[in-house]
Amino acid sequence: AQSVSQHNHHVILSEAASLELGCNYSYGGTVNLFWYVQYPGQHLQLLLKYFSGDPLVKGIKGFEAEFIKSKFSFNLRKPSVQWSDTAEYFCAVTPAGNNRKLIWGLGTSLAVNP
Amino acid sequence: EAGVTQSPTHLIKTRGQQATLRCSPISGHTSVYWYQQALGLGLQFLLWYDEGEERNRGNFPPRFSGRQFPNYSSELNVNALELEDSALYLCASSLGQGGRQETQYFGPGTRLLVL
Repeated sequence: AQSVSQHNHHVILSEAASLELGCNYSYGGTVNLFWYVQYPGQHLQLLLKYFSGDPLVKGIKGFEAEFIKSKFSFNLRKPSVQWSDTAEYFCAVTPAGNNRKLIWGLGTSLAVNP
Repeated sequence: EAGVTQSPTHLIKTRGQQATLRCSPISGHTSVYWYQQALGLGLQFLLWYDEGEERNRGNFPPRFSGRQFPNYSSELNVNALELEDSALYLCASSLGQGGRQETQYFGPGTRLLVL
């Protein structure tokens, strides 16, 4: 069965620290990949997405993610986090094509201390 | 531009009752999706509607059903409510162009509590 694994459930960082959140998926075919973020009290927002092309994608607020097909990974990175990045981060995958069913990781809760 | 809207924000029901949740997609979007976010289980895909038709369904029992109206808004109905149906129900919409590259945009959710 298709699945998405996020390795870190809770991450605590100080401001200006670098961030990397892991995401691995199990599916042998072509996939579309997404990172969503949920800030406290807000709804899910799209952070970035990968469909094809350059495996390094840039999103909002200085986030980027790299798709490594051989490792079935789509890790999220940010060189220097801010207190306002405190949120829940979700990785999601859907098989390319007309399936549209997003398969989600369990999320990573990030707390950034000022 | 208005985002995806959902109503009600909260819903309290008792076991055995029926719940109806509503969703209005972003203007111009024809595809609507429903997800369940239960505690400890993460987000689970429920249903996908496009152009009034059910296109895909997740691993949920038939008492979870829905429909999409001509204006592309959607309803999720949960019959014979069980305690484990307590969850946040999220609606998302996308352009529905039929291509490979669709992005889903989410509403704030309806929190359903079954007593």
